[in-house]
Amino acid sequence: EAGVAQSPRYKIIEKRQSVAFWCNPISGHATLYWYQQILGQGPKLLIQFQNNGVVDDSQLPKDRFSAERLKGVDSTLKIQPAKLEDSAVYLCASSKPTPGEETQYFGPGTRLLVL
Amino acid sequence: AQSVAQPEDQVNVAEGNPLTVKCTYSVSGNPYLFWYVQYPNRGLQFLLKYITGDNLVKGSYGFEAEFNKSQTSFHLKKPSALVSDSALYFCAVRARYNFNKFYFGSGTKLNVKP
Repeated sequence: EAGVAQSPRYKIIEKRQSVAFWCNPISGHATLYWYQQILGQGPKLLIQFQNNGVVDDSQLPKDRFSAERLKGVDSTLKIQPAKLEDSAVYLCASSKPTPGEETQYFGPGTRLLVL
Repeated sequence: AQSVAQPEDQVNVAEGNPLTVKCTYSVSGNPYLFWYVQYPNRGLQFLLKYITGDNLVKGSYGFEAEFNKSQTSFHLKKPSALVSDSALYFCAVRARYNFNKFYFGSGTKLNVKP
């Protein structure tokens, strides 16, 4: 079974530029998560999708971050414009929403450096 | 407020000795409990989980975790540490009823010395 795919793996941009990250979850996983992990901290949930609907985006900085999952499969997270403090690893994870299948599986992450 | 605490930023242990990485939580409603490991420049890898049943859960790479409901703890353990176990460990708690939201601890760096 293929794991969660993310691209790109690394990205360096200057502040005020825009950037987009892509995630393809494990096949059949209806729930998709985007996390931000700043160096030395645990992952922080940015947004959670159930199919193509948003379940939780309470910690997403909506003035600059946006995410979509139009067909309920892959997803894109965008930052526009980027700030220095956005430098972090952006992790995508997926899970099945059914009882007994609660485990989240993570992709390798995208490491973003904002200069 | 819902939270997960990993009180130790770093745990140092000699190879062959037992190890414990601590986790306590404050999440209502009998949550699910997880441990993940993160190696440098890698995503998080699932180690084990507690859903229900026996309080001692066995997982990957010889790790186990003990659930204690009264203390709301879920400590990760291994009887004999390996140098290759050196990594960053995260405790995570998933609420059963709040849209299955995950809460992560801040992580504990495990250093196993030869």
